[in-house]
Amino acid sequence: AQRVTQPEKLLSVFKGAPVELKCNYSYSGSPELFWYVQYSRQRLQLLLRHISRESIKGFTADLNKGETSFHLKKPFAQEEDSAMYYCALSARKTSGSRLTFGEGTQLTVNP
Amino acid sequence: DSGVTQTPKHLITATGQRVTLRCSPRSGDLSVYWYQQSLDQGLQFLIQYYNGEERAKGNILERFSAQQFPDLHSELNLSSLELGDSALYFCASSKGTLGTGELFFGEGSRLTVL
Repeated sequence: AQRVTQPEKLLSVFKGAPVELKCNYSYSGSPELFWYVQYSRQRLQLLLRHISRESIKGFTADLNKGETSFHLKKPFAQEEDSAMYYCALSARKTSGSRLTFGEGTQLTVNP
Repeated sequence: DSGVTQTPKHLITATGQRVTLRCSPRSGDLSVYWYQQSLDQGLQFLIQYYNGEERAKGNILERFSAQQFPDLHSELNLSSLELGDSALYFCASSKGTLGTGELFFGEGSRLTVL
């Protein structure tokens, strides 16, 4: 079975400070990991995926298989980054697939 | 709007009742996923349909059932409702079976059971 853990429900930083949202996972197969974000009054949407190794809105995330982690980082937080962030793991089977989400971290960036 | 649409947005009902939540996927998407989000809990996967067929199942209660119709819209039926079923129910869609991991979410249906 797969599991995603986000240890911090709430995270508060000041504008311009670095931010790291933690995500740990457990999965016996080869994981595919993602970060989703939900801004206020908007739908949940994909932020980035580990396979793309991309930086989106200044955020990056590196998959560390040894530590089974996929932490989301940004060197200089902005107020518009305030949102709910969910880490998710894809468990693909031949018949179907699902995304398993963590409980989410509410990030607040203070001016 | 060609995104995922869910109806109703809000629903209040009593224990023991039955409700149906409806979801229309994005144009061209064949997969529909249902998730439940309760207070203090993350998104719990319920069930996935692909082109009318059930493909993956999560911890969906026996009192809950779903289906996907030929026009690809989906319905989630919740019966014998209990107070604990109060939650936000999200529908999401994707083109295939999660090839890129990108799900497109609806705004959710908030169910309150009194």
